[in-house]
Amino acid sequence: EPEVTQTPSHQVTQMGQEVILRCVPISNHLYFYWYRQILGQKVEFLVSFYNNEISEKSEIFDDQFSVERPDGSNFTLKIRSTKLEDSAMYFCASRNQETQYFGPGTRLLVL
Amino acid sequence: GEDVEQSLFLSVREGDSSVINCTYTDSSSTYLYWYKQEPGAGLQLLTYIFSNMDMKQDQRLTVLLNKKDKHLSLRIADTQTGDSAIYFCAETSIFLNSGGGADGLTFGKGTHLIIQP
Repeated sequence: EPEVTQTPSHQVTQMGQEVILRCVPISNHLYFYWYRQILGQKVEFLVSFYNNEISEKSEIFDDQFSVERPDGSNFTLKIRSTKLEDSAMYFCASRNQETQYFGPGTRLLVL
Repeated sequence: GEDVEQSLFLSVREGDSSVINCTYTDSSSTYLYWYKQEPGAGLQLLTYIFSNMDMKQDQRLTVLLNKKDKHLSLRIADTQTGDSAIYFCAETSIFLNSGGGADGLTFGKGTHLIIQP
């Protein structure tokens, strides 16, 4: 069964550094998403992406964040200058019709 | 903005039925979902229901939707130790035919299902 994959599974970075989180959505899906889950809190929507552009973004998705689909398979989330409060699990998801399928997540720790 | 509420913990005996409840505020919700998260793992889609339905059954899972009260429940029959996880309710208001509506899922905080032997 096709799956969403994410790399790396864990990343530790210093405050102020840039990080890029990578995702490979399910191959015939057209809609892509990033969510985050701060430890012990609810899963929060960050951004959705369709037809090579952002279709919706939340208040969390400020100028420090950007997304890109650099080729036909990868979907990336970049955080330009990480802050301590960016420490969280970041989930990528992709959708065909009505259901979003999630990847296993990247746990980001900002020190 | 939209909100989704769930109780934080539910404890049931192995073999009993579990009923996990969720309320939501967005009257334009079109799809409602249940996801399962095991420790250290990602979000596994369990089932979903379209807002014009009031019930959906899938093997041991039964979803009930009361759209008037904006209440969603997930019943797990014959609960097993492998069902121990966090269960998230989520909603969206996408319109598939027109392509409109808000795309991102709004999640509840999750219900920890604890199975007693």
